[in-house]
Amino acid sequence: QQPVQSPQAVILREGEDAVINCSSSKALYSVHWYRQKHGEAPIFLMILLKGGEQKGHDKISASFNEKKQQSSLYLTASQLSYSGTYFCGTEGGSQGNLIFGKGTKLSVKP
Amino acid sequence: NAGVTQTPKFRILKIGQSMTLQCTQDMNHNYMYWYRQDPGMGLKLIYYSVGAGITDKGEVPNGYNVSRSTTEDFPLRLELAAPSQTSVYFCASSYSPGDHNYGYTFGSGTRLTVV
Repeated sequence: QQPVQSPQAVILREGEDAVINCSSSKALYSVHWYRQKHGEAPIFLMILLKGGEQKGHDKISASFNEKKQQSSLYLTASQLSYSGTYFCGTEGGSQGNLIFGKGTKLSVKP
Repeated sequence: NAGVTQTPKFRILKIGQSMTLQCTQDMNHNYMYWYRQDPGMGLKLIYYSVGAGITDKGEVPNGYNVSRSTTEDFPLRLELAAPSQTSVYFCASSYSPGDHNYGYTFGSGTRLTVV
């Protein structure tokens, strides 16, 4: 079951904050977040495991609510380099296979 | 350290032709995957492998085949190409699911057009 991401697209000015949500109808083992720039491969950002942990590096962080089967990605004080499409990938079991959402296109303007 | 290498980067096929998309990784990852990406649809899993000699179907395996004879290589075979197979194909690899410090490493992709 493909996770649902929201919003589908967001436009920011440099320095503004954004939140991208990912929700699943199935129980989750972990959630991955990736960023893809146009014409390039997705790049891994972070993994969150069940247990409700929160992770972050630099000004990008994420949370995972196991009970609600939801994860959120937080981008603070956005930079031009944050532009791209963000995908969540959900893992429902021990196989390690990820089911990806349709993506959220983030555009950061000067 | 090249990571995940895919060839070719671009290819145009005629309907009914066959081809193999090559994927090789030098990170000694056990797990390898093939995804296709269509505009606005995210990444769909075609096939995956948990180690040499072991492969299994993903969400959209019809029209494709894979093999995994070595840890490094995971080629994807398209038989009788159809316009519906026009897409960008990504190969990825990862450590075992139990190692959650690392995510997937993707190759740069193969853009395939079937005409």
